[in-house]
Amino acid sequence: EAQVTQNPRYLITVTGKKLTVTCSQNMNHEYMSWYRQDPGLGLRQIYYSMNVEVTDKGDVPEGYKVSRKEKRNFPLILESPSPNQTSLYFCASSFHGGPTEAFFGQGTRLTVV
Amino acid sequence: AQSVTQLDSQVPVFEEAPVELRCNYSSSVSVYLFWYVQYPNQGLQLLLKYLSGSTLVKGINGFEAEFNKSQTSFHLRKPSVHISDTAEYFCARPLAQGGKLIFGQGTELSVKP
Repeated sequence: EAQVTQNPRYLITVTGKKLTVTCSQNMNHEYMSWYRQDPGLGLRQIYYSMNVEVTDKGDVPEGYKVSRKEKRNFPLILESPSPNQTSLYFCASSFHGGPTEAFFGQGTRLTVV
Repeated sequence: AQSVTQLDSQVPVFEEAPVELRCNYSSSVSVYLFWYVQYPNQGLQLLLKYLSGSTLVKGINGFEAEFNKSQTSFHLRKPSVHISDTAEYFCARPLAQGGKLIFGQGTELSVKP
């Protein structure tokens, strides 16, 4: 089954404790993105990757890092989480960078206390 | 900058009634538009998309949308809703390059018996 898998689904952590949210897709998609969803703001892109070892900032990259060492994986790293990063995070992938459907993971609900 | 605006944050409706969820976009040379649905505790799923051609687009679960260039709108409609349609709906605009989606703020559709 074609899918985007994120882990964990729920995470509660303390300020400053490094964490990683994993994302994997099995569709051989070139493009992958991370979004955060906040009430009243919709989804905003954090980072995206066009292919292995090629990443770039989205609209809200501060406080986040990403890497793309393999085509299928695109982890999101919070080196020193803060309470304002409490949010619902989604990983997405698409076949190419044009106007094509993006497939989304189930989401990771992160709470930073 | 390209943008998408959803005019209603919440839409309550009774079962079997018709519904319209409104979306307006900023005008540009090329316009592509999607509607995504997010059921509780799930990721986003594509309902329908407009890339070119017919301005009336039919999607899954009985939804349809009409691309209106003069009104810069892409409203989502369903003639008779079910309880199972309760979800958050996002209008989104894929950019021509870069694999990025610009999202509206989201509309919570609540279908009551």
